[in-house]
Amino acid sequence: NAGVTQTPKFQVLKTGQSMTLQCAQDMNHEYMSWYRQDPGMGLRLIHYSVGAGITDQGEVPNGYNVSRSTTEDFPLRLLSAAPSQTSVYFCASSGLDRGEQYFGPGTRLTVT
Amino acid sequence: GEDVEQSLFLSVREGDSSVINCTYTDSSSTYLYWYKQEPGAGLQLLTYIFSNMDMKQDQRLTVLLNKKDKHLSLRIADTQTGDSAIYFCAESSGTYKYIFGTGTRLKVLA
Repeated sequence: NAGVTQTPKFQVLKTGQSMTLQCAQDMNHEYMSWYRQDPGMGLRLIHYSVGAGITDQGEVPNGYNVSRSTTEDFPLRLLSAAPSQTSVYFCASSGLDRGEQYFGPGTRLTVT
Repeated sequence: GEDVEQSLFLSVREGDSSVINCTYTDSSSTYLYWYKQEPGAGLQLLTYIFSNMDMKQDQRLTVLLNKKDKHLSLRIADTQTGDSAIYFCAESSGTYKYIFGTGTRLKVLA
């Protein structure tokens, strides 16, 4: 039982490049979400999903796309990276009972 | 929109109690959470409380909720050096949009 896994752990991109951050969970959780963590700003919700085929926007969705084709996977796509997207990205999952969210170890992204 | 606020830093001596405070603006918040983040790691849930509760105790942790003032606090009794971390308050209402505070960095002095 691996919990929530994220890849890669570190990534450096140039402005304008695109990439996908991977997130997978093996707990059969319906709810999955993506956050970014910036100094002094806490965690901000980017996108979330309450089940396969269902996604919705969080607080800061611009510049990011998501899809949820399976229960296990919830990739986050950066369409055209910008320096403002330099951050640490966390994926999380939980059941729909609003109990504990399980967080992945994070991906540290730098955009130059 | 909804907002959750916390002070950024707290320093206490080992063995003392720590009290971390949080205020929120969404009066329809139904779930309120405390998470802990250690360096280089993701967040881990410490405890959570339903909005119809005033208090919840779990070993060294006590959560107090003042719904009228929209104020949540986390008390850690007998604080240890291993409690040094960032503590996040979060709230969730009718939707699945969890709103997190900025985090309070707790430093425990030996």
